[in-house]
Amino acid sequence: GQNIDQPTEMTATEGAIVQINCTYQTSGFNGLFWYQQHAGEAPTFLSYNVLDGLEEKGRFSSFLSRSKGYSYLLLKELQMKDSASYLCAVRDSNYQLIWGAGTKLIIKP
Amino acid sequence: IAGITQAPTSQILAAGRRMTLRCTQDMRHNAMYWYRQDLGLGLRLIHYSNTAGTTGKGEVPDGYSVSRANTDDFPLTLASAVPSQTSVYFCASSNGTSGYNEQFFGPGTRLTVL
Repeated sequence: GQNIDQPTEMTATEGAIVQINCTYQTSGFNGLFWYQQHAGEAPTFLSYNVLDGLEEKGRFSSFLSRSKGYSYLLLKELQMKDSASYLCAVRDSNYQLIWGAGTKLIIKP
Repeated sequence: IAGITQAPTSQILAAGRRMTLRCTQDMRHNAMYWYRQDLGLGLRLIHYSNTAGTTGKGEVPDGYSVSRANTDDFPLTLASAVPSQTSVYFCASSNGTSGYNEQFFGPGTRLTVL
């Protein structure tokens, strides 16, 4: 079967750095996405990785290792507004997204 | 209209009733999707459409049907609602299904079936 694993919840301090991990086992791989979802709102796109390595976009970076079936999202200089759920999704061999359950990130002052 | 809209925002429905959730996008995206999101579970794909006139079944299609008569609209119908269909429903669209084509999401419909 297909499986995406992420920690259920993480807590971090404002101004700090946090790394959210995602491991996957899917039938095929055609890219990995990270989305942010604030409570009661729709998911919004953060990043896309298809090749191994690090993609940096402002305070957010995403890393991919295809051989290990592993990705992480790195958030720097945390702000209170970063309190949200972070969703990892893998595009499989059918070009459909398989979603993890999401990691709820709590930022404390 | 800007992006994707969904209607209604929320609905309480009696079991056995028929219900259509509406989704409209103005981005001229080829592909559209319907997901449900339940607590503790990831988004699960119900149905999708890669282009107008075609539809396909996702992971959890039973009890749902869709149509794609044109590029902009992708309604989701529950023929006879059951309590297990209580969920938040998101419609999404993307310009394509491969490469750097992220999915854009509508605001969601919160459906309660009693």
